[in-house]
Amino acid sequence: QSVLTQPPSVSEAPRQRVTISCSGSSSNIENTAVNWYQQHPGKAPKLLIYYDDLLPSGVSDRFSASKSGTSASLAISGLQSEDEADYYCASWDDSLNGWVFGGGTKLTVL
Amino acid sequence: EVQLVESGGGLIQPGGSLRLSCAASGFTVSSNYMSWVRQAPGKGLEWVSVIYSGSITYYADSVKGRFTISRDNSKNTLYLQMNSLRAEDTAVYYCARDQTAAGRYIDSWGQGTLVTVSS
Repeated sequence: QSVLTQPPSVSEAPRQRVTISCSGSSSNIENTAVNWYQQHPGKAPKLLIYYDDLLPSGVSDRFSASKSGTSASLAISGLQSEDEADYYCASWDDSLNGWVFGGGTKLTVL
Repeated sequence: EVQLVESGGGLIQPGGSLRLSCAASGFTVSSNYMSWVRQAPGKGLEWVSVIYSGSITYYADSVKGRFTISRDNSKNTLYLQMNSLRAEDTAVYYCARDQTAAGRYIDSWGQGTLVTVSS
């Protein structure tokens, strides 16, 4: 059971838009930054979004994110086949003094 | 260029010990917060431990008392000493660099090293 809650899977057609939700609590998402990671099979996670809604250099602007209270969401527009991957939200938890992750959401591009 | 290279994984019997290493290049380990994160086969990411630049350490409850995080500044290397290993410790172990400048986030990951605990 992950501390942050994500839907196990989402799917959408190419060129469409999809959102992935992430729910937490006051000890993590509400009071610390939310970050998002993309992971392709057999690969290490890759930073996609940091500090709630900032894109690292080199990440496509098709990715965006937002946060409100104890929830956050990742949006991917103009879906491409290469976006098929697992997506994880993460946040530092001030009560646990550790990183907490969502259980991951598998994105399927139909 | 920031690079993290883990090593030391392998097959180990329950109750055994293993030490993972993470050689860093492109930055100084001692000046950064460094974490270990693991991923059991087919499962999600699970944080294991963090060491701060001032040597404060924190552990997940699942490994507290069994795992020890440390670093060798002269070798620019991060370690994870794992004792009393259990089947549920089987996972790919990633070392990662924490950033604290703009919020807090992990910005760099190694390729991971597989630890299999089985008799």
